[in-house]
Amino acid sequence: DAVLTQSPLSLAVTLGQPASISCRSSQSLVFSDGDTYLDWFHQRPGQSPRRLIYKVSNRESGVPDRFSGSGSGTDFTLTISRVEAEDVGVYYCMQNTGWPWTFGQGTKVEIK
Amino acid sequence: EVQLVETGGGLIQPGGSLRLSCAVSGFTVNSDFMSWVRQAPGKGLECVSLISYDNAIYYADSVKGRFTISRDNSKNTLSLQMNSLKAEDTAVYHCARGRLRAWGQGTLVTVSS
Repeated sequence: DAVLTQSPLSLAVTLGQPASISCRSSQSLVFSDGDTYLDWFHQRPGQSPRRLIYKVSNRESGVPDRFSGSGSGTDFTLTISRVEAEDVGVYYCMQNTGWPWTFGQGTKVEIK
Repeated sequence: EVQLVETGGGLIQPGGSLRLSCAVSGFTVNSDFMSWVRQAPGKGLECVSLISYDNAIYYADSVKGRFTISRDNSKNTLSLQMNSLKAEDTAVYHCARGRLRAWGQGTLVTVSS
C-alpha cells in the first residue's frame, strides 16, 4: 500500500501570506498510463471533503487560482499563494494510482 | 446538478448488520467509479470500497469479507451492506463519485452496545 506522509500536520498562517503542505509517498504514484493520480482535498469543520486539485496540478472548476499543486513521482506540494479566512480547515493528499486508495494524515490550517 | 445523498446510518450493536444507500442524481451510477469513504470521529479518511464502471470491486483489508458494495442501475443508487460490525467501524460514511470528485454529506454509523 502507498503510505502518504504529510508535513506539517498543523500550520498557522497570517492572512495574505503563503502556505505550503508537503505530501510524500512511500512509492511512486505514476500509473501505467503515464498519469500521476495524486489529489488534494480540503475539509472545513462539519463539512464533507472537497477535491481541490487532481492529478498533481489540475484545479477543479471553481477552485481559486491561489491554490496550486506541484510535484512528481513521490514528492508533492500544495501551495496557497495568499491565505484567506475561508481556507481554514484540514487538507488531505490522496493517491488513487493503485488500490487501496490512501490518504495522508491531514494538515490543519488555521489563521494566526 | 450532481447530488449524492446517503441514508441508512444509525446505532447498531457489535456483530450487527446495516445497509447504507446513496441516491444519486445528475449522473448515472454505472458511468463512473463509485466508492464509500469513511471518517471515524476526529480522525482521517479511509476509502473502504470501490466499484468501477466495468464492475471491478475492491475492498479495504479492514472490511474485506464483511462489507459488500453494489449498485442498482434502475434506481440509480449505490449501496453498502455491512455485516459483523465492530466498534472500529464507527464513522461517518460518505459515498463519492469518480476519483472522489463529488461527495455526499455522509451518514453516521455508530457501533456500540
